[in-house]
Amino acid sequence: DAGVTQSPTHLIKTRGQQVTLRCSPKSGHDTVSWYQQALGQGPQFIFQYYEEEERQRGNFPDRFSGHQFPNYSSELNVNALLLGDSALYLCASSLYGIPTDTQYFGPGTRLTVL
Amino acid sequence: AQSVSQHNHHVILSEAASLELGCNYSYGGTVNLFWYVQYPGQHLQLLLKYFSGDPLVKGIKGFEAEFIKSKFSFNLRKPSVQWSDTAEYFCAVNAPPGGSYIPTFGRGTSLIVHP
Repeated sequence: DAGVTQSPTHLIKTRGQQVTLRCSPKSGHDTVSWYQQALGQGPQFIFQYYEEEERQRGNFPDRFSGHQFPNYSSELNVNALLLGDSALYLCASSLYGIPTDTQYFGPGTRLTVL
Repeated sequence: AQSVSQHNHHVILSEAASLELGCNYSYGGTVNLFWYVQYPGQHLQLLLKYFSGDPLVKGIKGFEAEFIKSKFSFNLRKPSVQWSDTAEYFCAVNAPPGGSYIPTFGRGTSLIVHP
């Protein structure tokens, strides 16, 4: 049973560029959440997708956008990259609307912005 | 909105020592509480969770946590740590239905266990 997978593992970009990160949820899960984990910090919620729609959003600018596909996989897009966007980006999958459900996390994508 | 504080940012212990990591949250309503662990080079994994019932929760690898509602705390404990417990530990809380069921994470505690 495959868990949550993310690609790529590492990415280096320069300021102003755009980046797309990808996530495939755990089998049987229909909801994908994205988090940003800066060095020395806990994960911060970016947004959550269910039924191909953004359901909740954290305190992140519009430069951060996403998409969910019919097979439940998801993409995170970040435009006009800033140095401060350097972080580990985590994807987590779960079942929608079940707050007691456990979120399963992927290994993350390490984004470095130069 | 809910928030989480983890007071110990760095903890260094010798093997067989006892461990207690503090976690306090702020939210006046019903909460669900979680402890996650991130071993070096690995993804975040759930250690244990509390939703209701017995406030003493047992998780994997000998960890346990106690929910004390009056203190808004959910401290993580282990009687005897091992070198393999070296990791980052994150406390998280969500607060349905009045708050958000998206978990809010603390900033984490880095635990180093010396053999």
